[in-house]
Amino acid sequence: DTAVSQTPKYLVTQMGNDKSIKCEQNLGHDTMYWYKQDSKKFLKIMFSYNNKELIINETVPNRFSPKSPDKAHLNLHINSLELGDSAVYFCASSPDPTPTQPQHFGDGTRLSIL
Amino acid sequence: DQQVKQNSPSLSVQEGRISILNCDYTNSMFDYFLWYKKYPAEGPTFLISISSIKDKNEDGRFTVFLNKSAKHLSLHIVPSQPGDSAVYFCAARYGGSQGNLIFGKGTKLSVKP
Repeated sequence: DTAVSQTPKYLVTQMGNDKSIKCEQNLGHDTMYWYKQDSKKFLKIMFSYNNKELIINETVPNRFSPKSPDKAHLNLHINSLELGDSAVYFCASSPDPTPTQPQHFGDGTRLSIL
Repeated sequence: DQQVKQNSPSLSVQEGRISILNCDYTNSMFDYFLWYKKYPAEGPTFLISISSIKDKNEDGRFTVFLNKSAKHLSLHIVPSQPGDSAVYFCAARYGGSQGNLIFGKGTKLSVKP
């Protein structure tokens, strides 16, 4: 059973479109995250939710809107996609918000903007 | 501005030998450090961590050393195995209990049989 699963694994779309990436964890964790790994391979946090509440919101364009319907899910919706949004997006979860807790990552969603 | 630097993009080691992966940081407020391992097409997996109040933490074949005065940490893998071939990310935490993790760019380790 996959602990943190994201769908889709690959997403190819046109500039200007709106798309969503879904994430689910079956670990019973309270905290979930979205990270972006850009072309330079840096892994940067975008958002963090704890018990469905937003706790970290880094400097991310407001075209990106996370939604947590329940503790086990954190979806990422992106409006008006731009070329610079091409990256690998990783979802992660941890038992609580303290970053000393190891985070469990999904396998990533590779987003390519044409 | 990179606060966590992994200056070696790649490292090649013979099976059975020691692998040493290095990480430097600039922010003296970092108080916790973690190493993650990543295989292709998979997400990072937690490997080992160390608090800034310690200078060494060991878990099986993996040992992390922290030199606070030099703002440097290293991951030692002994003995190295072909299955250790992966990208290794160093990460550091700053801020309070909900401080962010800052990741380095990673070092690709290749262990040759």
